Amino acid sequence: EPEVTQTPSHQVTQMGQEVILRCVPISNHLYFYWYRQILGQKVEFLVSFYNNEISEKSEIFDDQFSVERPDGSNFTLKIRSTKLEDSAMYFCASRDREQYFGPGTRLTVT
Amino acid sequence: AQSVTQLDSHVSVSEGTPVLLRCNYSSSYSPSLFWYVQHPNKGLQLLLKYTSAATLVKGINGFEAEFKKSETSFHLTKPSAHMSDAAEYFCVVSSYTGFQKLVFGTGTRLLVSP
Repeated sequence: EPEVTQTPSHQVTQMGQEVILRCVPISNHLYFYWYRQILGQKVEFLVSFYNNEISEKSEIFDDQFSVERPDGSNFTLKIRSTKLEDSAMYFCASRDREQYFGPGTRLTVT
Repeated sequence: AQSVTQLDSHVSVSEGTPVLLRCNYSSSYSPSLFWYVQHPNKGLQLLLKYTSAATLVKGINGFEAEFKKSETSFHLTKPSAHMSDAAEYFCVVSSYTGFQKLVFGTGTRLLVSP
């Protein structure tokens, strides 16, 4: 069964550093999403992406965040200058009729 | 704007007894509603979805949910809990926009004791 994959599973970085979280969506899906879940809180929408552009973004998704689909298979989330409060689990999802989620990347900012 | 409220942060049941996880929704339009499950250190797995075809929706692993418009509820049930059902369960509503971002509830942790 096709699945969404994410790498790395865990990323530790220092405050102010740039990180790139990678996702490989299911191959025939056209809609892509990033969500995050701060420890102990609910899952929050960050951004949706379709046809090589952002279709919707939340208030959380400020100028330090960016997304890219650099080739036909990967979908990335970049955080330019990480803050302590960016520590969270980041989930990628892709959609045909429903959204399928990857296993997540746990980002720890120290 | 759409939202969901999960009424219990924790639910404890014994193995073999029924499970009821409660969810109320708020939506200006006929909603698309989902239940997702998250096992420890795992991703989010779709259990079931409601998209107006039938009010009683059957999902995987014996779970089902009933959409009740008059009560704005979408409670998740299972007749008999199994130890492997212990997980976090999220009630989710899809936005009405074409790109369908998901709006999650706060989650209910299901604990199953032997």
